[in-house]
Order: sequence, then C-alpha cells, then structure tokens
Amino acid sequence: EVVMTQSPATLSVSPGERATLSCRASQSLSSNLAWYQQKPGQAPRLLIYGASTRAPSIPARFSGSGSGTEFTLTITSLQSEDFAVYYCQQYNVRPLTFGGGTKVEIK
Amino acid sequence: EVQLVESGGGLVQPGGSLRLSCVASGFTFDDYAMHWVRQVPGKGLEWVSGISWNSVAEDYAASVKGRFAISRDNAKNSLYLEMNSLRPDDTAFYYCVKGFLYDNLVYYDYWGQGTLVTVSS
Repeated sequence: EVVMTQSPATLSVSPGERATLSCRASQSLSSNLAWYQQKPGQAPRLLIYGASTRAPSIPARFSGSGSGTEFTLTITSLQSEDFAVYYCQQYNVRPLTFGGGTKVEIK
Repeated sequence: EVQLVESGGGLVQPGGSLRLSCVASGFTFDDYAMHWVRQVPGKGLEWVSGISWNSVAEDYAASVKGRFAISRDNAKNSLYLEMNSLRPDDTAFYYCVKGFLYDNLVYYDYWGQGTLVTVSS
C-alpha cells in the first residue's frame, strides 16, 4: 500500500499570506495525485488532479506541483473561505490512499 | 447538475448488517466508476471500495474485504454497499463518490453529502 504523508498537520496563516502544503508518497506516483478541500460539516471538494491541473471553477490562487513522490499544494493570498482541511490522494496503484490531511487555520 | 444522494445509514449493533444506497443524477451513470469513501467524525478520509462502470472490477480496502460488498444498478443510476459483520471501528460517515473515468484508478470529481453509520451496542 502506498503511504501518503502530509505535512504539516496544522498550518497557521494570516489572511492574504501564502500557504504551502506538502504531500509525500512512499513510492512513485508519476503525476497521479489529487488534492481535496474539506470545510467543517461539508463533503470534500476536488481542487487539483494530475498533480497540477485545477478542477473546474477552482480559483487560480490554488496551484499544485510535483511528480514522483513529492507534491505541493500552494494557496497564494489566502482568503477567509480557504481555511479548511486539505487532503492529498494517490490514484496510481490499488488500493487508493489518502494523506492524513493538513488543517489550514487562521493565525 | 451532478447529484449523489446517499441513504441507509443508522445505528446498528456489532455483528449486524446494513445496506447503503446512493442515487446519482446529472451525468451518464454507466460511463463512470463509483466508489465509497468513509470518514470517522473528526478524522481523515479512508477509501473503502470501488466498482468499475460495468461491474467487472470490484476493489476493497483490506479492512472491509470479505465483509462488505459493492454493487451497482446502471438502470437505476444507483450504487450500493452491503455491509456485514459490522464492527465499532466501521463507525463513520460514508460518502458516495464519482470517479473521473470508467475504471477504478480514479480521483473523485463529485462527492455526496454522506450518510452516518454508527456501530454500537
């Protein structure tokens, strides 16, 4: 099973600042990685797929990068609605696996 | 508009059974893989099971294999999860999710709102 490790567990950021979230895989995924955002009481929402492609209607301040085993989600100029938990997910091999999540909170 | 509506959750005793359903609309259901993902309240996401567009491929997490069975009825735009021998650690929200293509190595472009399964005596 591919182990997905997200860091940090919690990220404290001021509105308007940049947030950088990391996701590391225990084996190479090529670019078969997705990012999701989950707000309290809501289902997750797809942000990024293919490591770097934004899903429809996702703002340009969200960007993904990386390949192989190291991936990054960057949120430039954080807005109030961006404070949430973010998960990465690999879909390169079975079983599909998620990272443990990074909570982005207001500093 | 894509909609995924789960039902069937509830309180069940350890060792009991439950059947979850998900009705889909807003897309051509039989073109896509469909999966179940669960989340213990306050915790992270865990993939549970997936089924390909034509039901040929079924995949299960090790934690549920042999106890859970996924199925779909393309004529009814519906996805199911039959859960047997339930344990307290199966307690979670169960999300019905749509894969982005027809086989099971997928990311999820749409999620239902989830149905809560509580396993407790």
